[in-house]
Amino acid sequence: DTEVTQTPKHLVMGMTNKKSLKCEQHMGHRAMYWYKQKAKKPPELMFVYSYEKLSINESVPSRFSPECPNSSLLNLHLHALQPEDSALYLCASSPPGQGSYEQYFGPGTRLTVT
Amino acid sequence: AQSVTQLGSHVSVSEGALVLLRCNYSSSVPPYLFWYVQYPNQGLQLLLKYTTGATLVKGINGFEAEFKKSETSFHLTKPSAHMSDAAEYFCAVSDTGRRALTFGSGTRLQVQP
Repeated sequence: DTEVTQTPKHLVMGMTNKKSLKCEQHMGHRAMYWYKQKAKKPPELMFVYSYEKLSINESVPSRFSPECPNSSLLNLHLHALQPEDSALYLCASSPPGQGSYEQYFGPGTRLTVT
Repeated sequence: AQSVTQLGSHVSVSEGALVLLRCNYSSSVPPYLFWYVQYPNQGLQLLLKYTTGATLVKGINGFEAEFKKSETSFHLTKPSAHMSDAAEYFCAVSDTGRRALTFGSGTRLQVQP
């Protein structure tokens, strides 16, 4: 298995809802990432997990809560989002050990906050 | 901190023409550099990467890039554009200390018939 999968593909939620995004990889990668991408912009790093531990939080608002239950799974819990949080949310993973840290991306979840 | 600059937010070429997308990097240490492609409403796909060794790197879909330290550049080329190459292209540099990528602003490639 050489891919990163993300569910759901699309999500519409109200500002009072609680929802979760899911990401999964079975490539033995030990670093996983969440990015936010607005239209016509590059991806912006949100969180990095390394060996299931949160290693980077790019000052993301607490309404976004990441979780890494095991080495293959990464979740992003959403609560009380704002319309400006509407974006494409991308998950990525990278191989373990020292090296070039290339990242492999999932197809993304298109989130719309109403 | 490492960074990359992509020159030209839009590039338009005719089908069959040479594709040249420009990327310059800024890094105090030897960089690891990448090119990614993103088709509409999809994730990013790794085209190629430069780590060490050979400065001419071949990637998927007929793309290649050359690392030029003297020019701090890592431009992406393809000899003959195909309609299916129309997409957004991102250059990125690896921040080894943070194990994260820093992306350029992107270049949208249009291919005219």
